[in-house]
Amino acid sequence: SQQGEEDPQALSIQEGENATMNCSYKTSINNLQWYRQNSGRGLVHLILIRSNEREKHSGRLRVTLDTSKKSSSLLITASRAADTASYFCATDGRYSGGSNYKLTFGKGTLLTVNP
Amino acid sequence: DGGITQSPKYLFRKEGQNVTLSCEQNLNHDAMYWYRQDPGQGLRLIYYSQIVNDFQKGDIAEGYSVSREKKESFPLTVTSAQKNPTAFYLCATSNIDEQFFGPGTRLTVL
Repeated sequence: SQQGEEDPQALSIQEGENATMNCSYKTSINNLQWYRQNSGRGLVHLILIRSNEREKHSGRLRVTLDTSKKSSSLLITASRAADTASYFCATDGRYSGGSNYKLTFGKGTLLTVNP
Repeated sequence: DGGITQSPKYLFRKEGQNVTLSCEQNLNHDAMYWYRQDPGQGLRLIYYSQIVNDFQKGDIAEGYSVSREKKESFPLTVTSAQKNPTAFYLCATSNIDEQFFGPGTRLTVL
């Protein structure tokens, strides 16, 4: 079952503009993560935000989390053509009796940054 | 992609054949995962393993099998019972929170 749902499904912007992607989820979480996938490649972890955090920054990335609305947003500032990729949110669910996490991924937002 | 290798990169299978996808890691991570990704879709979990000699079914395990005899290796077999196996298969590992992904294997059934 897919917990996270990204919005919009596709986003096309010009280089230098900001890109905002949203993620909604259904059940309680310990943390929420964002991943990036270039076409035909594996996913790369971008940022993790814990349920007791409201905002986190990493370089040109800014992630917010609103647990009351069960939603998160990923903002990429001053976008570049190299940011063109699919972006996925993933929510956790701890295994019973274990310390490792099982992630549930959304369907992703395809971001195209035009030069 | 880091310390996770998947082979082959492309795989073609005739209907009715079993095929095995390789996943090897040198990150010393306990947990390993197999995901399936269809065009324009997110990742769906096939199988996962938290420790050697133990693995659990994910959301879409039917038609697939795995083994975890070594910490470094988590091969996935796509059996003839999987009716629609054409997809992009991703292997991942994790230590605590984030997951690390291999480059993927694209399987096509002819």
